[in-house]
Amino acid sequence: GESVGLHLPTLSVQEGDNSIINCAYSNSASDYFIWYKQESGKGPQFIIDIRSNMDKRQGQRVTVLLNKTVKHLSLQIAATQPGDSAVYFCAETTSGTYKYIFGTGTRLKVLA
Amino acid sequence: ETGVTQSPTHLIKTRGQQVTLRCSSQSGHNTVSWYQQALGQGPQFIFQYYREEENGRGNFPPRFSGLQFPNYSSELNVNALELDDSALYLCASSPSGGVKNIQYFGAGTRLSVL
Repeated sequence: GESVGLHLPTLSVQEGDNSIINCAYSNSASDYFIWYKQESGKGPQFIIDIRSNMDKRQGQRVTVLLNKTVKHLSLQIAATQPGDSAVYFCAETTSGTYKYIFGTGTRLKVLA
Repeated sequence: ETGVTQSPTHLIKTRGQQVTLRCSSQSGHNTVSWYQQALGQGPQFIFQYYREEENGRGNFPPRFSGLQFPNYSSELNVNALELDDSALYLCASSPSGGVKNIQYFGAGTRLSVL
């Protein structure tokens, strides 16, 4: 399938530290990217998006960086809190298509 | 909360049966997309409906079908269920067709096929 990942990578971070979650996307033609947060028993929740004509976008406590040269996306969370514990997915899409392609996901664990 | 509601929350079926899952989109949204999420994986796109017509489809067989109603709610139907169909089925709504609109997800329906 387009999103394959039998083993979910895990990032453990101390409460109050900054978190960086990375994503390698697959299609060089992708021009819109989104980060979603999924908590246990819930659907994915939108965090932040970025278009391919940008390389950085900031939200509240979150920053997304896009490096099109190496097809890499990252999500930075400042001052990580226990409520940030979840699985984080990046998704990519291309103009003229109708679907998001999701990455494998990264589990973020916030340690007290 | 996103305003996207799905029913039922959990469902158990046996192999060969048929199932219908339902989704009510967020107010003002005319586009609904369906995704299948296997355990430990990211969601995989099944199809999208825009103004009651299928607007795009992923790599799923024809036994996965859908409908969208005039009020923009939607159904996902799966015939001849297989064990591998066990997954979380997610519905997402967005303000219009195409993809450069944020998709808002419901909590999903957990389907178990025995």
